[in-house]
Amino acid sequence: EDQLVESGGGLVAPGGSLRLSCGVSGFAFSEFEMSWVRQAAGKGLEWISYISGGGDVTNYAASVKGRFIISRDNAKDSLYLHMSALRAEDSSVYYCVRERRDEFNFPSFDFWGRGIMVTVSS
Amino acid sequence: IQMTQSPPSLSASIGDRVIITCRASQRVGSYVNWYQQTVGKAPRLLIYASSTLQTGVPSRFSGSGSGTDFTLTISSLQPEDFATYFCQQSYGDPTFGQGTRLEI
Repeated sequence: EDQLVESGGGLVAPGGSLRLSCGVSGFAFSEFEMSWVRQAAGKGLEWISYISGGGDVTNYAASVKGRFIISRDNAKDSLYLHMSALRAEDSSVYYCVRERRDEFNFPSFDFWGRGIMVTVSS
Repeated sequence: IQMTQSPPSLSASIGDRVIITCRASQRVGSYVNWYQQTVGKAPRLLIYASSTLQTGVPSRFSGSGSGTDFTLTISSLQPEDFATYFCQQSYGDPTFGQGTRLEI
């Protein structure tokens, strides 16, 4: 059974740092592109970062560029999100998400972790 | 690319046919996906590439559209369908619609 399990969330003061982890099992992690998507309480979904299967290509939303770093360790079947200079508006549930491309190369987020809460507050 | 969903909320009854629409701020081909989210749960992929049903999703769900206008249709509402639905474009950096809350 495919599993994505996030960890590392919690309460952090404004300006602080946090590292989220996502442990993967049940599928060949290195063959999949991955993303982080977040959702503030009662709000919609916001894609924030992407990483290729090999980890050599990354991309970020403007809202987090320069503050967040996505990485992966394929040997450990793990995805990470290093968050720094955190702001109150970064408070959200953060989802680890698998990206799948069909035979025509259409991408979609086909599998989601349960999410982890990050609260930025003094 | 902005995705505008309508309506923001919708009240319906069991057995009703429901249509949710999504408009992209620029042409995105068929690069639109639809997700369902129930309270306290992660989103679930329903439809990808505008009209392809994800494995395991009931056939009462269908999607259509290309270019800038897309629809998600639920042909006969079941109790488990009351949830929030999001569209998402994957033509550029992914963006989501603001969601449609489907209520009884």
